[in-house]
Amino acid sequence: EDKVVQSPLSLVVHEGDTVTLNCSYEVTNFRSLLWYKQEKKAPTFLFMLTSSGIEKKSGRLSSILDKKELSSILNITATQTGDSAIYLCAVLVRTGANNLFFGTGTRLTVIP
Amino acid sequence: DVKVTQSSRYLVKRTGEKVFLECVQDMDHENMFWYRQDPGLGLRLIYFSYDVKMKEKGDIPEGYSVSREKKERFSLILESASTNQTSMYLCASGLAGVSYEQYFGPGTRLTVT
Repeated sequence: EDKVVQSPLSLVVHEGDTVTLNCSYEVTNFRSLLWYKQEKKAPTFLFMLTSSGIEKKSGRLSSILDKKELSSILNITATQTGDSAIYLCAVLVRTGANNLFFGTGTRLTVIP
Repeated sequence: DVKVTQSSRYLVKRTGEKVFLECVQDMDHENMFWYRQDPGLGLRLIYFSYDVKMKEKGDIPEGYSVSREKKERFSLILESASTNQTSMYLCASGLAGVSYEQYFGPGTRLTVT
Protein backbone atom coordinates (compact mmCIF):
# COMPACT_ATOMS: atom_id res chain seq x y z
CA GLU A 1 0.00 0.00 0.00
CA ASP A 2 1.34 3.40 -0.98
CA LYS A 3 2.18 5.55 2.02
CA VAL A 4 3.38 9.10 2.59
CA VAL A 5 4.38 10.13 6.12
CA GLN A 6 5.20 13.61 7.31
CA SER A 7 6.92 14.68 10.49
CA PRO A 8 6.51 16.38 12.80
CA LEU A 9 2.73 16.59 12.84
CA SER A 10 2.94 20.05 14.33
CA LEU A 11 5.61 22.55 15.14
CA VAL A 12 5.68 25.89 16.97
CA VAL A 13 8.62 28.23 16.40
CA HIS A 14 9.50 31.87 16.94
CA GLU A 15 9.88 34.35 14.14
CA GLY A 16 13.36 34.21 12.68
CA ASP A 17 13.87 30.52 13.42
CA THR A 18 14.77 28.03 10.69
CA VAL A 19 12.56 24.94 10.36
CA THR A 20 12.91 21.64 8.57
CA LEU A 21 9.87 19.60 7.65
CA ASN A 22 10.21 15.96 6.69
CA CYS A 23 8.38 13.74 4.24
CA SER A 24 9.06 10.05 3.68
CA TYR A 25 7.31 7.73 1.28
CA GLU A 26 6.84 4.11 0.38
CA VAL A 27 5.21 3.90 -3.01
CA THR A 28 5.39 1.89 -6.18
CA ASN A 29 6.17 3.66 -9.44
CA PHE A 30 7.44 6.88 -7.88
CA ARG A 31 7.52 9.76 -10.33
CA SER A 32 7.79 13.00 -8.33
CA LEU A 33 7.28 14.54 -4.92
CA LEU A 34 5.33 17.73 -4.41
CA TRP A 35 5.02 20.22 -1.59
CA TYR A 36 1.93 22.35 -0.98
CA LYS A 37 1.20 25.11 1.52
CA GLN A 38 -2.31 25.26 2.94
CA GLU A 39 -3.37 28.34 4.82
CA LYS A 40 -7.00 29.02 5.62
CA LYS A 41 -8.20 28.01 2.22
CA ALA A 42 -6.96 25.76 -0.53
CA PRO A 43 -3.50 24.19 -0.79
CA THR A 44 -1.19 26.08 -3.09
CA PHE A 45 1.61 24.45 -5.01
CA LEU A 46 5.19 25.10 -3.83
CA PHE A 47 7.64 22.68 -5.43
CA MET A 48 7.86 19.57 -7.51
CA LEU A 49 10.96 17.40 -7.11
CA THR A 50 11.85 14.64 -9.50
CA SER A 51 15.61 14.28 -9.33
CA SER A 52 17.56 13.35 -6.24
CA GLY A 53 19.97 15.86 -4.75
CA ILE A 54 18.85 18.92 -6.71
CA GLU A 55 17.63 21.70 -4.47
CA LYS A 56 14.60 23.74 -5.46
CA LYS A 57 14.49 27.21 -3.97
CA SER A 58 11.92 29.97 -3.75
CA GLY A 59 12.79 32.86 -1.50
CA ARG A 60 13.20 31.56 2.03
CA LEU A 61 11.83 28.13 1.13
CA SER A 62 13.91 25.31 -0.27
CA SER A 63 13.42 21.62 -0.76
CA ILE A 64 15.43 18.61 -1.76
CA LEU A 65 14.67 15.00 -2.60
CA ASP A 66 16.67 11.95 -1.53
CA LYS A 67 15.53 8.98 -3.58
CA LYS A 68 17.89 6.63 -1.81
CA GLU A 69 16.33 7.47 1.55
CA LEU A 70 12.84 7.81 0.00
CA SER A 71 12.41 11.19 1.61
CA SER A 72 12.34 14.92 1.14
CA ILE A 73 12.83 17.93 3.37
CA LEU A 74 11.32 21.38 3.18
CA ASN A 75 13.38 24.13 4.79
CA ILE A 76 12.12 27.54 5.75
CA THR A 77 14.68 30.08 6.92
CA ALA A 78 14.03 33.28 8.86
CA THR A 79 10.42 32.24 9.47
CA GLN A 80 7.66 34.84 9.56
CA THR A 81 4.15 34.69 10.99
CA GLY A 82 2.88 34.47 7.42
CA ASP A 83 4.58 31.10 7.11
CA SER A 84 2.06 29.66 9.59
CA ALA A 85 0.18 27.00 7.63
CA ILE A 86 -0.19 23.30 7.03
CA TYR A 87 2.53 22.02 4.73
CA LEU A 88 1.45 19.04 2.66
CA CYS A 89 3.70 16.57 0.93
CA ALA A 90 2.32 14.52 -1.95
CA VAL A 91 3.86 11.82 -4.08
CA LEU A 92 3.05 11.43 -7.74
CA VAL A 93 2.89 7.82 -8.85
CA ARG A 94 2.18 6.17 -12.21
CA THR A 95 0.39 7.74 -15.12
CA GLY A 96 -3.26 8.59 -15.27
CA ALA A 97 -5.44 10.91 -13.28
CA ASN A 98 -5.45 9.07 -9.94
CA ASN A 99 -1.85 9.62 -9.11
CA LEU A 100 -1.30 11.88 -6.10
CA PHE A 101 -0.95 10.49 -2.58
CA PHE A 102 -0.89 13.04 0.20
CA GLY A 103 0.77 12.92 3.59
CA THR A 104 -1.02 14.00 6.74
CA GLY A 105 0.60 17.42 6.72
CA THR A 106 2.73 19.35 9.19
CA ARG A 107 1.05 22.26 10.98
CA LEU A 108 3.58 25.04 11.41
CA THR A 109 2.84 27.91 13.78
CA VAL A 110 5.20 30.87 13.84
CA ILE A 111 4.80 33.13 16.86
CA PRO A 112 6.09 36.70 16.99
CA ASP B 1 -5.44 32.57 -12.90
CA VAL B 2 -7.14 29.25 -12.44
CA LYS B 3 -10.24 29.52 -10.38
CA VAL B 4 -11.90 26.60 -8.65
CA THR B 5 -15.03 27.44 -6.71
CA GLN B 6 -17.14 25.37 -4.36
CA SER B 7 -20.78 26.02 -3.72
CA SER B 8 -20.60 26.45 0.05
CA ARG B 9 -17.89 27.24 2.58
CA TYR B 10 -19.83 25.85 5.52
CA LEU B 11 -22.71 23.40 5.54
CA VAL B 12 -24.65 21.77 8.35
CA LYS B 13 -26.86 18.80 7.54
CA ARG B 14 -28.78 16.19 9.47
CA THR B 15 -28.09 12.47 9.46
CA GLY B 16 -29.87 10.79 6.57
CA GLU B 17 -30.13 13.89 4.40
CA LYS B 18 -28.97 13.86 0.80
CA VAL B 19 -26.14 16.37 0.36
CA PHE B 20 -24.81 17.92 -2.83
CA LEU B 21 -21.41 19.60 -2.99
CA GLU B 22 -20.70 21.45 -6.19
CA CYS B 23 -17.37 22.36 -7.72
CA VAL B 24 -16.77 24.53 -10.76
CA GLN B 25 -13.49 25.28 -12.54
CA ASP B 26 -12.93 27.84 -15.26
CA MET B 27 -9.75 26.57 -16.94
CA ASP B 28 -11.12 23.82 -19.17
CA HIS B 29 -9.29 21.17 -17.16
CA GLU B 30 -10.01 17.56 -18.04
CA ASN B 31 -9.32 16.17 -14.56
CA MET B 32 -11.33 16.96 -11.48
CA PHE B 33 -11.01 15.50 -7.99
CA TRP B 34 -12.84 15.33 -4.69
CA TYR B 35 -10.85 14.90 -1.49
CA ARG B 36 -11.74 14.94 2.15
CA GLN B 37 -9.33 16.24 4.73
CA ASP B 38 -9.38 15.05 8.34
CA PRO B 39 -6.93 15.77 11.17
CA GLY B 40 -4.21 13.16 11.32
CA LEU B 41 -5.30 11.57 8.04
CA GLY B 42 -4.35 14.19 5.50
CA LEU B 43 -6.09 14.47 2.15
CA ARG B 44 -7.79 11.33 0.91
CA LEU B 45 -9.14 10.96 -2.59
CA ILE B 46 -12.84 10.11 -2.80
CA TYR B 47 -13.50 10.16 -6.54
CA PHE B 48 -11.99 11.68 -9.61
CA SER B 49 -13.11 12.31 -13.15
CA TYR B 50 -10.96 12.52 -16.26
CA ASP B 51 -13.68 13.51 -18.69
CA VAL B 52 -17.35 14.36 -18.88
CA LYS B 53 -19.48 11.48 -17.60
CA MET B 54 -16.32 9.54 -16.71
CA LYS B 55 -15.47 8.80 -13.11
CA GLU B 56 -13.27 6.52 -11.10
CA LYS B 57 -13.19 5.61 -7.44
CA GLY B 58 -10.44 6.95 -5.29
CA ASP B 59 -9.31 5.56 -1.96
CA ILE B 60 -12.50 6.10 0.07
CA PRO B 61 -15.56 6.11 -2.23
CA GLU B 62 -17.95 4.38 0.17
CA GLY B 63 -20.98 6.49 0.98
CA TYR B 64 -20.34 8.93 -1.88
CA SER B 65 -21.21 9.26 -5.53
CA VAL B 66 -20.27 11.85 -8.13
CA SER B 67 -21.63 13.43 -11.26
CA ARG B 68 -19.90 15.18 -14.10
CA GLU B 69 -22.39 16.25 -16.76
CA LYS B 70 -20.36 19.23 -17.93
CA LYS B 71 -16.61 19.62 -18.17
CA GLU B 72 -16.43 22.53 -15.76
CA ARG B 73 -18.61 21.06 -13.03
CA PHE B 74 -18.02 18.10 -10.72
CA SER B 75 -20.52 17.27 -8.02
CA LEU B 76 -20.06 15.14 -4.93
CA ILE B 77 -23.19 13.52 -3.55
CA LEU B 78 -23.71 12.05 -0.11
CA GLU B 79 -26.76 9.85 -0.62
CA SER B 80 -27.55 9.58 3.08
CA ALA B 81 -25.27 11.71 5.22
CA SER B 82 -23.77 10.20 8.34
CA THR B 83 -21.88 11.76 11.22
CA ASN B 84 -18.63 10.13 10.10
CA GLN B 85 -18.84 12.19 6.94
CA THR B 86 -18.30 15.37 8.93
CA SER B 87 -15.15 16.71 7.32
CA MET B 88 -13.53 19.33 5.12
CA TYR B 89 -14.17 18.57 1.45
CA LEU B 90 -11.75 19.90 -1.14
CA CYS B 91 -12.28 19.92 -4.87
CA ALA B 92 -9.35 20.19 -7.29
CA SER B 93 -8.82 20.32 -11.03
CA GLY B 94 -5.86 19.72 -13.30
CA LEU B 95 -4.87 19.27 -16.92
CA ALA B 96 -4.73 15.78 -18.40
CA GLY B 97 -1.16 14.53 -18.51
CA VAL B 98 0.04 17.33 -16.25
CA SER B 99 -2.16 16.50 -13.32
CA TYR B 100 0.59 16.85 -10.78
CA GLU B 101 -0.27 20.51 -10.40
CA GLN B 102 -3.75 20.36 -9.03
CA TYR B 103 -5.60 23.58 -8.34
CA PHE B 104 -7.74 23.43 -5.26
CA GLY B 105 -11.00 25.11 -4.35
CA PRO B 106 -11.47 26.84 -0.97
CA GLY B 107 -13.09 23.81 0.63
CA THR B 108 -16.47 23.07 2.17
CA ARG B 109 -16.62 22.31 5.85
CA LEU B 110 -19.52 19.89 6.26
CA THR B 111 -20.96 19.06 9.65
CA VAL B 112 -23.47 16.22 9.89
CA THR B 113 -25.46 16.22 13.12
